[in-house]
Amino acid sequence: KNEVEQSPQNLTAQEGEFITINCSYSVGISALHWLQQHPGGGIVSLFMLSSGKKKHGRLIATINIQEKHSSLHITASHPRDSAVYICAVSSGGNQFYFGTGTSLTVIP
Amino acid sequence: NAGVTQTPKFQVLKTGQSMTLQCAQDMNHEYMSWYRQDPGMGLRLIHYSVGAGITDQGEVPNGYNVSRSTTEDFPLRLLSAAPSQTSVYFCASSVVAGGYNEQFFGPGTRLTVL
Repeated sequence: KNEVEQSPQNLTAQEGEFITINCSYSVGISALHWLQQHPGGGIVSLFMLSSGKKKHGRLIATINIQEKHSSLHITASHPRDSAVYICAVSSGGNQFYFGTGTSLTVIP
Repeated sequence: NAGVTQTPKFQVLKTGQSMTLQCAQDMNHEYMSWYRQDPGMGLRLIHYSVGAGITDQGEVPNGYNVSRSTTEDFPLRLLSAAPSQTSVYFCASSVVAGGYNEQFFGPGTRLTVL
């Protein structure tokens, strides 16, 4: 049983396209995190959400607490956005649950 | 600030060998944790610590030991390596425990057990 499900698993887009990655979760949460993992492995935090919407540059993250769903959008995608995007939720305390990631490739 | 550092970056062990993966952070974070990442699976928590002298088990603790003698360091010990422990290991830290805190990840250690 996976507490966090992401879709799609793999995504290929042309440069400039609008991209959406989805995350559904089954536990009550205190926060939802979007992480980015580049080839070579390093993981960085993109967003931390408990409600509503956040925007950093071309990246937008939304969350619907009632539907237990979050989306990560990338506008005007670029080859440097190619990475694995990971959704994680914390249900309080010290436990995080991670999705298996969405592998994004943006083709020039 | 160096952030979260991990050594080594790569390691090959034979079955039965022991070793320690090092993790250090210079941000004065209370919460530190170890994860393993395997193909087709999300990151899984091995052990965590909410402060110096305090550690606890995560989802997959068997075969691993940890200690936290200082705020900065959180080493992960493999007692007797097994091929099932072949994985990429990430150390992470955050200011305090609790979900609404940004986690900072180290660069990872890729471990192969033959």
